[in-house]
Amino acid sequence: AQSVTQLGSHVSVSEGALVLLRCNYSSSVPPYLFWYVQYPNQGLQLLLKYTSAATLVKGINGFEAEFKKSETSFHLTKPSAHMSDAAEYFCAVSGETSGSRLTFGEGTQLTVNP
Amino acid sequence: EAGVTQSPTHLIKTRGQQATLRCSPISGHTSVYWYQQALGLGLQFLLWYDEGEERNRGNFPPRFSGRQFPNYSSELNVNALELEDSALYLCASNLGGTSKETQYFGPGTRLLVL
Repeated sequence: AQSVTQLGSHVSVSEGALVLLRCNYSSSVPPYLFWYVQYPNQGLQLLLKYTSAATLVKGINGFEAEFKKSETSFHLTKPSAHMSDAAEYFCAVSGETSGSRLTFGEGTQLTVNP
Repeated sequence: EAGVTQSPTHLIKTRGQQATLRCSPISGHTSVYWYQQALGLGLQFLLWYDEGEERNRGNFPPRFSGRQFPNYSSELNVNALELEDSALYLCASNLGGTSKETQYFGPGTRLLVL
């Protein structure tokens, strides 16, 4: 079975500050890891994904994430927050034994203060 | 290129009725996934269809069912609606249905059961 834990259901940062959203996973097989963003009343948009190539993955809108197998983590970062980054962020895992389903974390609501 | 589309955007039903939700995948995508995003329960995998067949099913009762048509569009049917079925239902599609292929999400159908 696979699972994802996102530490912190709410994160608040100031505009221009570092954004760090935490994600830890559990998987019995090599995982594929994804970060999605959801703006109010919208579906999910892919930010970035890890599929066993480079461990540091760069995504859209200046976000990046680093896969650390020893820590079973895939934390999402952005050097400087913008007001437009305010949204809910979901970490998800899939794997070859999961039947292609995505297993999501509970989400982290990011607030950006002016 | 058009993204994943879903209809209707909103649906209001009463307890015991049936709901039908529709999804059109991105052109060329053969796999369709359904997820439920209920308040307080997060994003839960419902169903996966590929090449017209149900490939995987989440932990939901049989009154949640669906199908995929020859043009790869899909329907999700929920019978005997219960109040707790109120949620945002998200459809996603990808190429070939492998675990590392990105799932692209539609905007969702918001179902309210009264």
